[in-house]
Amino acid sequence: KNQVEQSPQSLIILEGKNCTLQCNYTVSPFSNLRWYKQDTGRGPVSLTIMTFSENTKSNGRYTATLDADTKQSSLHITASQLSDSASYICVVSPRGTPRANNLFFGTGTRLTVIP
Amino acid sequence: DGGITQSPKYLFRKEGQNVTLSCEQNLNHDAMYWYRQDPGQGLRLIYYSQIVNDFQKGDIAEGYSVSREKKESFPLTVTSAQKNPTAFYLCATGTSGYNEQFFGPGTRLTVL
Repeated sequence: KNQVEQSPQSLIILEGKNCTLQCNYTVSPFSNLRWYKQDTGRGPVSLTIMTFSENTKSNGRYTATLDADTKQSSLHITASQLSDSASYICVVSPRGTPRANNLFFGTGTRLTVIP
Repeated sequence: DGGITQSPKYLFRKEGQNVTLSCEQNLNHDAMYWYRQDPGQGLRLIYYSQIVNDFQKGDIAEGYSVSREKKESFPLTVTSAQKNPTAFYLCATGTSGYNEQFFGPGTRLTVL
């Protein structure tokens, strides 16, 4: 069964500290993995997308890594800011014939940055 | 949020009433989706549409209905048959290839 699991479920860190969020998936064959940031009461916004051949991709203070062999991805946030407080959702797209309902969503990690 | 608008932002409904959530897009995307989000749970697919005048049930379609009369619009009706409708509802659009979705700002529905 194709699944996407994220950990931890929630995380509290001090402003200025770094943190790493995890995403493990069983979706196979794999096409790409995307990390979304969802502020409270808002829709998710894409942070980064990683394809099968990519190991690392950065977007400002956000760095995503991917190990396609172990089916694991991480999102590292450097020098956290209060505005980083949000839910971070991992979404995996399988390879193959494109279908409209083909995305697999993780349940998200709720990050709270405190001053 | 881009070119996707959802209205209203907040909606209150009495038990037994039907309500309709609006979703409009100007991204010229063929695919549109409705998701439900509950606290501590991932996004769950209610309905989706790949083209005008066609739509399919998602994982939790019971108690909901949709229409797709125009490419730009995909309204969702929450009927009285939906027993626990209080949730955050997200509309999304999809690009060709279906490997990316863009989300609207959401509508929070509360049943009083």
